[in-house]
Amino acid sequence: DAGITQSPRYKITETGRQVTLMCHQTWSHSYMFWYRQDLGHGLRLIYYSAAADITDKGEVPDGYVVSRSKTENFPLTLESATRSQTSVYFCASSPSSYNSPLHFGNGTRLTVT
Amino acid sequence: GESVGLHLPTLSVQEGDNSIINCAYSNSASDYFIWYKQESGKGPQFIIDIRSNMDKRQGQRVTVLLNKTVKHLSLQIAATQPGDSAVYFCAENMDNRLAFGKGNQVVVIP
Repeated sequence: DAGITQSPRYKITETGRQVTLMCHQTWSHSYMFWYRQDLGHGLRLIYYSAAADITDKGEVPDGYVVSRSKTENFPLTLESATRSQTSVYFCASSPSSYNSPLHFGNGTRLTVT
Repeated sequence: GESVGLHLPTLSVQEGDNSIINCAYSNSASDYFIWYKQESGKGPQFIIDIRSNMDKRQGQRVTVLLNKTVKHLSLQIAATQPGDSAVYFCAENMDNRLAFGKGNQVVVIP
């Protein structure tokens, strides 16, 4: 079934550990995004990518790393997790950066202890 | 601060009634707006969008109204059903990036 898939759905990790959240889309959309969703803040953009090998920072990029070697995958890595990174992370894709809706995955709930 | 916001934190609606969810935006240059629905444990789901050259757009049971004069966006849901219970939030396109509001909970009373 076509769509956007995130894994894992739930993750618990310890402070200081590296963790990677995976995102895969089957639409061949050029643009992919990572957001975090926290109470009181709504959705905040972490990183986005316009195409394979092209990434750029969003609103809250510190502590995160992304890569995009293939169009369909856009992993997000927390190099050294902190408690402040406890959140729900959403990946999204879009065929265009302009006047086009984002299509979201179902999220990864990350808890950093 | 956020440029997109919602007036009401929670809206309780009787099943079968119409729902109206409001959103204010502050950037008069924004030219594209989207409404999303988010159910518990799921990602935001696209409902409907509208471009700034339109005042109204209708979908299945939903209508979005755009008032550029007062920078106001609303989502109307006709004949609200229990499955409409969710958080709804609007987004505006600013500088080729979507800025999201914090959301408004809609609770449908059977």
